[in-house]
Amino acid sequence: DVKVTQSSRYLVKRTGEKVFLECVQDMDHENMFWYRQDPGLGLRLIYFSYDVKMKEKGDIPEGYSVSREKKERFSLILESASTNQTSMYLCASRRRSTVGEKLFFGSGTQLSVL
Amino acid sequence: GQQVMQIPQYQHVQEGEDFTTYCNSSTTLSNIQWYKQRPGGHPVFLIQLVKSGEVKKQKRLTFQFGEAKKNSSLHITATQTTDVGTYFCAGPKASNYQLIWGAGTKLIIKP
Repeated sequence: DVKVTQSSRYLVKRTGEKVFLECVQDMDHENMFWYRQDPGLGLRLIYFSYDVKMKEKGDIPEGYSVSREKKERFSLILESASTNQTSMYLCASRRRSTVGEKLFFGSGTQLSVL
Repeated sequence: GQQVMQIPQYQHVQEGEDFTTYCNSSTTLSNIQWYKQRPGGHPVFLIQLVKSGEVKKQKRLTFQFGEAKKNSSLHITATQTTDVGTYFCAGPKASNYQLIWGAGTKLIIKP
């Protein structure tokens, strides 16, 4: 089974801090994604990566950046955390960019920004 | 832009009653995927529908894809406590294969 591991289950940070969320997948998947999930809004795509060192903005990239230096690892960076970034962050991976490929999700990181 | 609407947002049922959630896309979809997220968990892939008018069953779950490939439904017969969670539909954007997600329907079993 594919395993997608997120480094922290819960995280509490202060406004203005730089925050790193890490995600690792173990199945040599090409694509990786960062979503945020808020009640009533479903899953919203922040950034995705087709392959190593490649990244594309999703629907809500403002205030975030990403890094993919190795195929298995995709990092989400909050340059200066704000209270409106308090949310559940979900990482996902997919074998490749083909119609019909399913996503595998990590367990999520619940981030609270105080 | 391309949108996927999912209703209802919540459905409260007695155990043993049926449950249905509906998805409607603003555009024709090449396929649609369904995911389930248990409380406190993460979304897990359930199934993918590809063909116009397709119907697939997984035990008590029945998935349908509309003839025009713009709508889909998930029906659960005789709900059980293990069915509790949020069910999401997702369809690919025509431009880049990224998924557009419905907002989800939360299935709640009344005590």
